[in-house]
Amino acid sequence: TQLLEQSPQFLSIQEGENLTVYCNSSSVFSSLQWYRQEPGEGPVLLVTVVTGGEVKKLKRLTFQFGDARKDSSLHITAAQPGDTGLYLCAGPASGTYKYIFGTGTRLKVLA
Amino acid sequence: EAEVAQSPRYKITEKSQAVAFWCDPISGHATLYWYRQILGQGPELLVQFQDESVVDDSQLPKDRFSAERLKGVDSTLKIQPAELGDSAMYLCASSLGHLYNEQFFGPGTRLTVL
Repeated sequence: TQLLEQSPQFLSIQEGENLTVYCNSSSVFSSLQWYRQEPGEGPVLLVTVVTGGEVKKLKRLTFQFGDARKDSSLHITAAQPGDTGLYLCAGPASGTYKYIFGTGTRLKVLA
Repeated sequence: EAEVAQSPRYKITEKSQAVAFWCDPISGHATLYWYRQILGQGPELLVQFQDESVVDDSQLPKDRFSAERLKGVDSTLKIQPAELGDSAMYLCASSLGHLYNEQFFGPGTRLTVL
């Protein structure tokens, strides 16, 4: 069974702090997506990483795909209350069509 | 900007009743997904369609859940009879179905079974 484990599960920080969320698997993924979901809404796609070692930046968010394409990280610089939400990694496990979601990281940024 | 549409947004029903959810994917998206999400957890795939065909329904409780996408466009997910444990957010997503499989989600239907 291919799983995507995210850590930490919960994170509560003060505005202006930095944080990193991790997404790990024992399986290789052909790509990974990161989503953010606000309460009562569907997940919104943030980014797709495809190449091992790839780094993508989206304003204050930095996404990295591990060299072996088994893990990914999301780093937020100077977090703001608007960053609050459930962060999900997801992707199609290599060699299959099955799309798997991570366990999720719930972030709360306090003003 | 193209969006995935879902209705209703909220549904309250009593156990043993039938409920149905509707999804209209982004135009041109061949792949459609129905997910169930328990509060605070990641979405769990219920069924995946490629055009009008079911690709994966291994996690769909087939004794009470059914899904169809008759013309390969919009889709309906039905629960009959609803049980208390079915209370959750039901999400629909669509994708072009290409290699990277980026999915675009609708706003979801929040189901409460009393």
